[in-house]
Amino acid sequence: EVHLLESGGGLVQPGGSLRLSCAASGLTLSTYAMSWVRQAPGKGLQWVATFSAGGGSTYYADSVKGRFTISRDDSKNTLYLQMSSLRAEDTALYYCAKDLGGGNRYFHYWGQGTLVTVSS
Amino acid sequence: QPVLTQSPSASASLGASVKLTCTLSSGHSTYAIAWHQQQPEKGPRYLMKVNSDGSHTKGDGIPERFSGSSSGAERYLTISSLQSEDEADYYCQTWGTGIRVFGGGTKLTVL
Repeated sequence: EVHLLESGGGLVQPGGSLRLSCAASGLTLSTYAMSWVRQAPGKGLQWVATFSAGGGSTYYADSVKGRFTISRDDSKNTLYLQMSSLRAEDTALYYCAKDLGGGNRYFHYWGQGTLVTVSS
Repeated sequence: QPVLTQSPSASASLGASVKLTCTLSSGHSTYAIAWHQQQPEKGPRYLMKVNSDGSHTKGDGIPERFSGSSSGAERYLTISSLQSEDEADYYCQTWGTGIRVFGGGTKLTVL
């Protein structure tokens, strides 16, 4: 059974940094494209970043480009999101999500999320 | 890049059926989409992928009363025999070059 467990969220001041982790079990992360998706309070889902299955490519939403970095540690089967220069508008529940596989770029499994609050 | 449009809200009575719509932007009518359900205070859950020909692939454990279909640029999620736990937000999702795209979501109320 696939499990994705996010951690690392918390309260951070504007301009600060935070690193989120997504530990996977029941699957080998390197086999699938993995993404981070966020949800601001009371709002819809917003794609943040994707790490390709082969690891050769990363993709970012314009709103986080240059501030966030997605990475993966295959030895730990863990996905990361390094966030810097954080803004109030980055406040959200952050989910990691696994692709369907086979080139299907649709989210198939989701974690439960970790909350990031950017406030002074 | 594709844009997905959903009605903000829908409602139907307990035991009835409801059909939710996700509309693909011009030039993207052949794209498949995925439907995701988000119950209150929970993370999203993948329901199914719906192809342009109306065929669909459901996720593990998704009940038979959830089904998908297509017509032109519209992708549908039909829920029959509505139950109280179906009250949730429903999002459609697709992808473009280097991006993933969500619709704005439909809040379903079960009366």
